[in-house]
Amino acid sequence: DAGITQSPRHKVTETGTPVTLRCHQTENHRYMYWYRQDPGHGLRLIHYSYGVKDTDKGEVSDGYSVSRSKTEDFLLTLESATSSQTSVYFCAISELGEAFFGQGTRLTVV
Amino acid sequence: RKEVEQDPGPFNVPEGATVAFNCTYSNSASQSFFWYRQDCRKEPKLLMSVYSSGNEDGRFTAQLNRASQYISLLIRDSKLSDSATYLCVVRGDSGNTPLVFGKGTRLSVIA
Repeated sequence: DAGITQSPRHKVTETGTPVTLRCHQTENHRYMYWYRQDPGHGLRLIHYSYGVKDTDKGEVSDGYSVSRSKTEDFLLTLESATSSQTSVYFCAISELGEAFFGQGTRLTVV
Repeated sequence: RKEVEQDPGPFNVPEGATVAFNCTYSNSASQSFFWYRQDCRKEPKLLMSVYSSGNEDGRFTAQLNRASQYISLLIRDSKLSDSATYLCVVRGDSGNTPLVFGKGTRLSVIA
C-alpha cells in the first residue's frame, strides 16, 4: 500500500470551531488532493496541490483552506466548522498516473 | 453537463452473470482514465487503468472510445466479492489538472 496516512481518523467538533485535517505521505508524490464524500454526491474535490506552496481550488472549496509547506504534508483547514461540513474526507496522492487514497477522516460537526 | 457521468445503478446481478458499466466524460482533451473500486466505508482503490487499445485483467475488461468520450467496464463471471461501488475517473489534459470522479455505480452480486 502507498505510504499515505490521514489524521485524525475520526473527529467530532462543535459548530464554529476551527478544524485541521492532516495528510502525510512518504512516496514523494507531487500531487496531493482533498476530497469529501457524501451520500448521493460521490467524491468531490475540495482543493489540490501540484507542488510545495502550489495549490488550487476544487469544486467545493468554500469554507476550506489548505496549505502545503513541504512535499509530504497537505493540511486541510475548516476555518469555522458548519454542520454541512459533516462528511468523510479523503486525501489522495499521485504522480501523473493513478491516485492512491488515505483511509479517510470521518468528521462530524455538531 | 457533469464532467464525468456514470450509470447510477444499483445493479443487482446473480453470481456468474456478466455486467457492464458505462461512463462518459465531457473534456475531449482528457488524457488518463481509470476504474476504481470502493467498498463500503473504505477508501477507493485502483481497479485498473484504461488504455486506448482496451485492456483486460482476468475477469475485468476496460474499453475506451475517445471519439464518443466513453469508457466501459465489463465484469464476467461475477463473484459475491465483486459487490462494491465502481468509480470512473478521468484526468484532464495537463499534469496540473486533478482527477475527476464519477459518482459511482453500485454493484450487488447475489448468491
